Amino acid sequence: KNEVEQSPQNLTAQEGEFITINCSYSVGISALHWLQQHPGGGIVSLFMLSSGKKKHGRLIATINIQEKHSSLHITASHPRDSAVYICAAPPCSSNTGKLIFGQGTTLQVKP
Amino acid sequence: ETGVTQSPTHLIKTRGQQVTLRCSSQSGHNTVSWYQQALGQGPQFIFQYYREEENGRGNFPPRFSGLQFPNYSSELNVNALELDDSALYLCASSSIAGGTYEQYFGPGTRLTVT
Repeated sequence: KNEVEQSPQNLTAQEGEFITINCSYSVGISALHWLQQHPGGGIVSLFMLSSGKKKHGRLIATINIQEKHSSLHITASHPRDSAVYICAAPPCSSNTGKLIFGQGTTLQVKP
Repeated sequence: ETGVTQSPTHLIKTRGQQVTLRCSSQSGHNTVSWYQQALGQGPQFIFQYYREEENGRGNFPPRFSGLQFPNYSSELNVNALELDDSALYLCASSSIAGGTYEQYFGPGTRLTVT
């Protein structure tokens, strides 16, 4: 079992739909990253959060440290949101901040 | 404020050759981490450099080595390339402050070993 698990693995939505991607982790962490990766492209950091909720445009990320769970929400989804979304966290046991990555959620938003 | 840059964008090498990949960290960041992402897989931590010293290493053989320079830019060197080294190599810069390690990723270098 991976230390960072995401669901669903694949997600297809119609333009305009509200989307939720979930991330659960089994190790102690100080913060969690949500990352976006387009096909063949590098990774863009969307959020880093250690508590509560953060919002940027149509994207909202929440985290519940006690439940070891985080969610990424996309409101009014658009085809340009199609990408792989990855949650990642540096375990407290590491002093390097190296990230452990979830397996990613491939999102396709259809027009 | 400049972002993280990597060079080259793409590279094709032959098995047994050596390769050097470069990463310029974001302004103000003193830490660079390198990750390998094989096709269809999540990134795997290779190593991290903090103030020109290696500060942690993942499960990669010694033929993967690195450097960090006084301006905090970094190089990843891979010797005796193998076919399985074909991957996207990502670097991420951060500033170790408050233990939060927010990391900013570069666009990656796509390495193909034939």
